[in-house]
Formats: sequence, structure tokens, C-alpha cells
Amino acid sequence: DVKVTQSSRYLVKRTGEKVFLECVQDMDHENMFWYRQDPGLGLRLIYFSYDVKMKEKGDIPEGYSVSREKKERFSLILESASTNQTSMYLCASTGTGIGLRSTDTQYFGPGTRLTVL
Amino acid sequence: DQQVKQNSPSLSVQEGRISILNCDYTNSMFDYFLWYKKYPAEGPTFLISISSIKDKNEDGRFTVFLNKSAKHLSLHIVPSQPGDSAVYFCAASARGTGNQFYFGTGTSLTVIP
Repeated sequence: DVKVTQSSRYLVKRTGEKVFLECVQDMDHENMFWYRQDPGLGLRLIYFSYDVKMKEKGDIPEGYSVSREKKERFSLILESASTNQTSMYLCASTGTGIGLRSTDTQYFGPGTRLTVL
Repeated sequence: DQQVKQNSPSLSVQEGRISILNCDYTNSMFDYFLWYKKYPAEGPTFLISISSIKDKNEDGRFTVFLNKSAKHLSLHIVPSQPGDSAVYFCAASARGTGNQFYFGTGTSLTVIP
């Protein structure tokens, strides 16, 4: 079974703090994703990565950065947390290489509920 | 701009009856569609998928129907069970987009015992 783990289930931070959210997958997947889930807005893609040291912006990258130094680990960084970044953050991975394959499902971690005060 | 839409934020169904969850999309390039189920405080889990070359896919109590001309898909759950109570997301992707998936806003299903 694919396992995607996230470093924290719940996190409370102060405005202006630098925040690191870690995600690790154990299936040697190439692609990894960070989403945020907000009521009425569904899942919105922040960043994704299709290989080590590669990253692509999703739909809402502003205020975030990412790091992929190892294949199994994908980190989401909030350089200076703000209250509008209070959300549920979900990490996902798939095993397909880049390009035209669109027949793989995404495996999600349990999520990190981040509150910025 | 929301490319995948779920217009019903919530749905209540009696146990044993059919649940029908709907999803509409705008991008005609989408060729693969999925449904995910999400319980509170957990990540979404994959439920069922359908490729654009099909119009129906069945897996036990779950059936997904795809109407490409209407850009509409639906998930049928028969019979509905209390354990099906969750938020359901539909998602879509298109070839050549690097496996980027576009998600709907979710429908919260409550199955009443």
C-alpha cells in the first residue's frame, strides 16, 4: 500500500513566522503535489514537482515555496505566514512520469490543519 | 476559474436508497475523471475513475457515468450506507498537463440510518 505521511496533523503559528510542512511518500513516486482545501473552494493546487529539484507552480503559488531535495520528500514553505493561509494542507503523490499519462490516481496524506494567528 | 464544478454542497439520503452526486466540467481536453471520498481529518481516498473512452464504470456499489457531450459526470451509490457519509470530490485531468488534477468543491453526503 502507498503511504503518504505529513509531519504534523495540527499546527498553530503566528503571523510572520516561517512555516515548514513536510511530506514523505514511500512508493518511489516521481510526482508530488501540495494542495490546500478550503470550504466552498475544494482542493486547489499550490505547487507540484515531477522530479527531484524540479517544481511547477499550481493555481495559487503566491506566498508559498517548495523544496524537493530527495525523491521521497516534498516540503511546502510559508516564508511569512499570514492569517489567510489558515487552511487544511494536503500532500499527494503519483507514480507516473511527466508527460501525457493521465491514468494514475493521486494518493493523499492525512492533511495538516494549519492555523495562523 | 473553476474548471470542475459540484453545484450541490450537500446531499442527504436514506439508508438503502440511491445517492447521486453530480459534477460538471468546462475543459473539453479533460480525458480522465476520478471520484475521491474524504472523511473529516483524513486525506481524500480514491474511489473510482473513468476514462473518456467509456461512458460508464462500475465497482461494487459505485458507478460513475460520463456524458461527454454535456460535460457532466455523476456518481451513483446503490444501496447507500451510513459509512458512505463523507465529502465526495470529483477531479479531472488532461493528457499533457503533467498529471495536474483539477478538483471540484466537494459534496457532503449524509446517509441517514
